[in-house]
Amino acid sequence: EAGVVQSPRYKIIEKKQPVAFWCNPISGHNTLYWYLQNLGQGPELLIRYENEEAVDDSQLPKDRFSAERLKGVDSTLKIQPAELGDSAVYLCASSYRDKDTQYFGPGTRLTVL
Amino acid sequence: GEDVEQSLFLSVREGDSSVINCTYTDSSSTYLYWYKQEPGAGLQLLTYIFSNMDMKQDQRLTVLLNKKDKHLSLRIADTQTGDSAIYFCAERRARNYGGSQGNLIFGKGTKLSVKP
Repeated sequence: EAGVVQSPRYKIIEKKQPVAFWCNPISGHNTLYWYLQNLGQGPELLIRYENEEAVDDSQLPKDRFSAERLKGVDSTLKIQPAELGDSAVYLCASSYRDKDTQYFGPGTRLTVL
Repeated sequence: GEDVEQSLFLSVREGDSSVINCTYTDSSSTYLYWYKQEPGAGLQLLTYIFSNMDMKQDQRLTVLLNKKDKHLSLRIADTQTGDSAIYFCAERRARNYGGSQGNLIFGKGTKLSVKP
């Protein structure tokens, strides 16, 4: 069974540029999560989807971050414009349902210059 | 406290046992997890324990849970160089901590170094 797929794996951009990350969850998993992992820290939840609905986006900085999961499968996380402090690893995870065990993708490492 | 606490570093010799400790925050947390992260990779689920258990064993891994002290530990028997990684403890909170109810809250991770 394929795991959570993320792309790109690495992205280097200049500040003020836009950037987008893509995630394909494990087949059949209804719940999808985006996490931010700063260097030397554990992951912190940005947004959680139940199918197409964003049920918890309280930690998403909505002035520059947006996310969508239009058909309840793949998801895209966007930053516009990027700032230096956005340099981090962006992890996607999925679970069959909310409160079930979460499985993580390999992450996208973003560097903002 | 509000944070999941872990010691940052642990160094052991190959073949020894490793014990990684964690203190979590919510005595009502339902599940406690251990994840492993190798360099440049995502988090790999190692094991988890339900809050009504005090011990779980899975091959070389033993998880101990002390609910009274909100303390969780992961013991790796016969530690190998391939076990070198960062280990994250995570709790699934039951109470509403500023909107984090039901979410996974992670510690900062313990970097395990295994010397040959």
